[in-house]
Amino acid sequence: GAVVSQHPSRVICKSGTSVKIECRSLDFQATTMFWYRQFPKKSLMLMATSNEGSKATYEQGVEKDKFLINHASLTLSTLTVTSAHPEDSSFYICSARDQLAKNIQYFGAGTRLSVL
Amino acid sequence: AQTVTQSQPEMSVQEAETVTLSCTYDTSESNYYLFWYKQPPSRQMILVIRQEAYKQQNATENRFSVNFQKAAKSFSLKISDSQLGDTAMYFCAFASYSGGGADGLTFGKGTHLIIQP
Repeated sequence: GAVVSQHPSRVICKSGTSVKIECRSLDFQATTMFWYRQFPKKSLMLMATSNEGSKATYEQGVEKDKFLINHASLTLSTLTVTSAHPEDSSFYICSARDQLAKNIQYFGAGTRLSVL
Repeated sequence: AQTVTQSQPEMSVQEAETVTLSCTYDTSESNYYLFWYKQPPSRQMILVIRQEAYKQQNATENRFSVNFQKAAKSFSLKISDSQLGDTAMYFCAFASYSGGGADGLTFGKGTHLIIQP
């Protein structure tokens, strides 16, 4: 099956620093990737849609200046949490939509962010 | 906006039994996709089964099948011959269809399924 690699799996940072999370589709091309956030014992919430070569589309209530998304190639999207604060601590998960099988999203393993 | 409702926070069954997880959704769209995802303790999201709304035939994947009732906006998951490895959180999810394919997913709150030995 298709593989999506997400890195790092866990990151601990100090308040005020920025953290970058990478999402790569390893064996397929993905013009569209998605970023989700999951709080403990909760469901996943869509944060934004990342489109290769264009600006990301953010869901209502998600600060685009706080969560910077870049999708510079057909296999890589990055999420940068800028000036992180403890309330940004969460589990972040990316998914990539297969360019050929357009109704299927494959998920990365997630990144646990802890902001001290 | 779409909503997805899973009314069973937790279910527990004995190994080898059959279990059905419920899911209802609300949308005004006519063309969309529905999914069931499994999230084990590792938190890796695993696609269990998917259904295109325009298809009347219920999707089946080995021990997993769905009962898709479009008019009732219901999409339940049946797991036959349940196994210990089926223990996980199960999320029902909805995706609108755009020209490029399935959009970002709207998830239900999940059902924690426990398979007892």
